[in-house]
Amino acid sequence: DIQMTQSPSSLPASVGDRVTITCRASQGISNYLAWYQQKPGKVPKLLIYAASNLQSGVPSRFSGSGSGTDFTLTISSLQPEDVATYYCQKYNSAPLTFGGGTKVEIK
Amino acid sequence: EVQLLESGGGLVQPGGSLRLSCAASGFTFSSYAMSWVRQAPGKGLEWVSSISGRGGSTYDADSVKGRFTMSRDNSKNTLYLQMNSLRAEDTAVYFCAKGGPWVESDYWGQGTLVTVSS
Repeated sequence: DIQMTQSPSSLPASVGDRVTITCRASQGISNYLAWYQQKPGKVPKLLIYAASNLQSGVPSRFSGSGSGTDFTLTISSLQPEDVATYYCQKYNSAPLTFGGGTKVEIK
Repeated sequence: EVQLLESGGGLVQPGGSLRLSCAASGFTFSSYAMSWVRQAPGKGLEWVSSISGRGGSTYDADSVKGRFTMSRDNSKNTLYLQMNSLRAEDTAVYFCAKGGPWVESDYWGQGTLVTVSS
């Protein structure tokens, strides 16, 4: 099975910082990669699909890139409301594995 | 508006069974694969199972294979997860999500809590 490795697991940053989260697949998954945001006590929310497509209604400060095995989620200017845990997920075929998560917090 | 509403969670003893349901509305249910994803207390997201739009294909995580069965009734716009031989490690909030293999999960339900404990 393909493993999904996210880094870092924790990311303290200041408001206005550019934040980058990495997700690496153990084998190529083309662009079948989604990013989700989960705020404490809330339901996961789709941010990015097909590696780089912004889901409707998601602020443009979020962007995704990558293909094959290496992917990134970037927040261009971190806002207080972006405090959350971010997960990547492969969905090219089962199992639809999630990464371990990256907890983003304000310094 | 897409809505997914899970039900059926609760407290069950180890070795017991539970059936979760997810009522869907706001989209053509039979046209979409659906999935169950769980989250143990304080832990990350774990994919559990997916099913094709017509229900002909199902996919299960190794951790639940042989114990959990996912199904759907497209006439009722409802998804199910039959959970047997439950273990303490199955304790989690269970979310249903619209999406599955080859399709991103763009809508999620609020989740239902399953607690396995004696």
